[in-house]
Amino acid sequence: GAVVSQHPSRVICKSGTSVKIECRSLDFQATTMFWYRQFPKKSLMLMATSNEGSKATYEQGVEKDKFLINHASLTLSTLTVTSAHPEDSSFYICSARVPGSGEAFFGQGTRLTVV
Amino acid sequence: AQSVTQLGSHVSVSEGALVLLRCNYSSSVPPYLFWYVQYPNQGLQLLLKYTSAATLVKGINGFEAEFKKSETSFHLTKPSAHMSDAAEYFCAVSETGTASKLTFGTGTRLQVTL
Repeated sequence: GAVVSQHPSRVICKSGTSVKIECRSLDFQATTMFWYRQFPKKSLMLMATSNEGSKATYEQGVEKDKFLINHASLTLSTLTVTSAHPEDSSFYICSARVPGSGEAFFGQGTRLTVV
Repeated sequence: AQSVTQLGSHVSVSEGALVLLRCNYSSSVPPYLFWYVQYPNQGLQLLLKYTSAATLVKGINGFEAEFKKSETSFHLTKPSAHMSDAAEYFCAVSETGTASKLTFGTGTRLQVTL
């Protein structure tokens, strides 16, 4: 089946630094990818929709200058958390839907800890 | 706008007992519906999906769900719980099309006891 790979699975960074998370569709092309954030024991909150070759669409309340999204190819989207703060610590998950099937596959998630 | 309501944030069943996790949706267009399972510190794994074909959908690990339009429900069931079923379960709804985002319910944590 289709696979979405997310890297890294865990990252610890210092306050004020930036962290980049990669999301790759391994065996299909994804013109659209989705980035979610999950707080402990909570549901997934959609942050933004990543569109290949164009600007991402951010959900209300999500700071686009803080969470930079780049979708430079049909198989890769990146989320960069800029000037990270402890409150940005969370579990970030990406997703892509397989064309034609409607099925959405998820990456393994990235546990970000900002110290 | 679409939304999903999962009744019961925690459900506990005995091993071998019936599992029933409830999901009700709201959608202004014919929906796609999904159930995902999440184990600690991992991404989401698709259990099953409804995409306007058969209303009774069978998924992996013995789970199934029935789409009931009149009740706007898509409850997840499994005849006999196994210890390995203990996890967080999410119901999700979306419109059709690969550019459509998924809207998730708040999740139900399933506990399986001996």
